Amino acid sequence: EPEVTQTPSHQVTQMGQEVILRCVPISNHLYFYWYRQILGQKVEFLVSFYNNEISEKSEIFDDQFSVERPDGSNFTLKIRSTKLEDSAMYFCASSVNAGILYGYTFGSGTRLTVV
Amino acid sequence: AQKVTQAQTEISVVEKEDVTLDCVYETRDTTYYLFWYKQPPSGELVFLIRRNSFDEQNEISGRYSWNFQKSTSSFNFTITASQVVDSAVYFCALSEETGANNLFFGTGTRLTVIP
Repeated sequence: EPEVTQTPSHQVTQMGQEVILRCVPISNHLYFYWYRQILGQKVEFLVSFYNNEISEKSEIFDDQFSVERPDGSNFTLKIRSTKLEDSAMYFCASSVNAGILYGYTFGSGTRLTVV
Repeated sequence: AQKVTQAQTEISVVEKEDVTLDCVYETRDTTYYLFWYKQPPSGELVFLIRRNSFDEQNEISGRYSWNFQKSTSSFNFTITASQVVDSAVYFCALSEETGANNLFFGTGTRLTVIP
């Protein structure tokens, strides 16, 4: 069964450093998403991406965050200057069409620890 | 305002007992989808079910069943004859037709099945 692949599974970074989280969505999917889960809390929407542009973003997704689909297969989330409160599990998801119609496939997540 | 409420933070049951996880949602859309995801200790999000707002039929899949009632805006999840492997955090989520179809998650219910 096709999977959404996220790398790395765990990343530790120093406060103030830039970090890039990588995702390879399912190949025929058109919609891409990033979600965040602070330890022990609910999963929160960050951003959705379609047709090479952001279609929606949450209040969490401020100027420190950016997304990119650099080469037609990868989908990345960049945090420019990490803060302690950015420590969380980050999930990438994709859907073949509008997720509401076809459902979402989530990756296994990247656990980001900012020290 | 919370779009998805999971009032039960933690539930413990003894193996083979039945357990129901509650989910109440809030939306102004007439077309929406409801989801349940399982998050085992390993951290990934496992899709369990997707149900659209026009289909109020209850669904059964093995030991899992779902009761969707629009009149009470609830989408409850029952596990019959629980097993230790069912121990996980379970999230209910809502996706609305308006917007970019991102998912709004509840705060989750941690289920512990005691052998």
